[in-house]
Amino acid sequence: AQSVAQPEDQVNVAEGNPLTVKCTYSVSGNPYLFWYVQYPNRGLQFLLKYITGDNLVKGSYGFEAEFNKSQTSFHLKKPSALVSDSALYFCAVRDMYNREGSQGNLIFGKGTKLSVKP
Amino acid sequence: DGGITQSPKYLFRKEGQNVTLSCEQNLNHDAMYWYRQDPGQGLRLIYYSQIVNDFQKGDIAEGYSVSREKKESFPLTVTSAQKNPTAFYLCASRPGPQGGEQFFGPGTRLTVL
Repeated sequence: AQSVAQPEDQVNVAEGNPLTVKCTYSVSGNPYLFWYVQYPNRGLQFLLKYITGDNLVKGSYGFEAEFNKSQTSFHLKKPSALVSDSALYFCAVRDMYNREGSQGNLIFGKGTKLSVKP
Repeated sequence: DGGITQSPKYLFRKEGQNVTLSCEQNLNHDAMYWYRQDPGQGLRLIYYSQIVNDFQKGDIAEGYSVSREKKESFPLTVTSAQKNPTAFYLCASRPGPQGGEQFFGPGTRLTVL
């Protein structure tokens, strides 16, 4: 079965330190992977995606993610965390089964709450 | 959130009532989606529509209904058959190509009194 796992419910980081939010996936074939951020009582904002090419993907707000095929991981990273980065982060993978017109559907992880302290 | 609007932002419903959540997009996207978000459970897909006048059930469609009469509109009705409707509802859209990301609206928080 296709799935996305975010093993940490919460990540705590001091401002200025590097941050990593972990994501692993299970799909057949080559995955399309996405990261989104959600601030309280708001919709999800797209950060970055990996479809093909360079394993290191750069996105919005200084975030980047590294695709690792052998470890089936797509961890989100930022060299220096800001207090304003505190939010809920979701990893997602494209549904590859293509059942009943599901092309383009996304399967989401349960989210990781990032807390950045001053 | 730009380009996708959801209304109302907050909605209160008495048990036994049907309510309709609005979702409109001006991005000319073909596909539209409805998700439900509960604390600690991530996003769960309710219904999706790849083109006008066509839609499919997602993972948790029971107690919900949708229509797609216009490309820009995808309203969701929460019926009285939905036993636990209190949640945050998110609408999203995606342009035609299959590999693209989805764009989300600001959400509607539904509370059953």
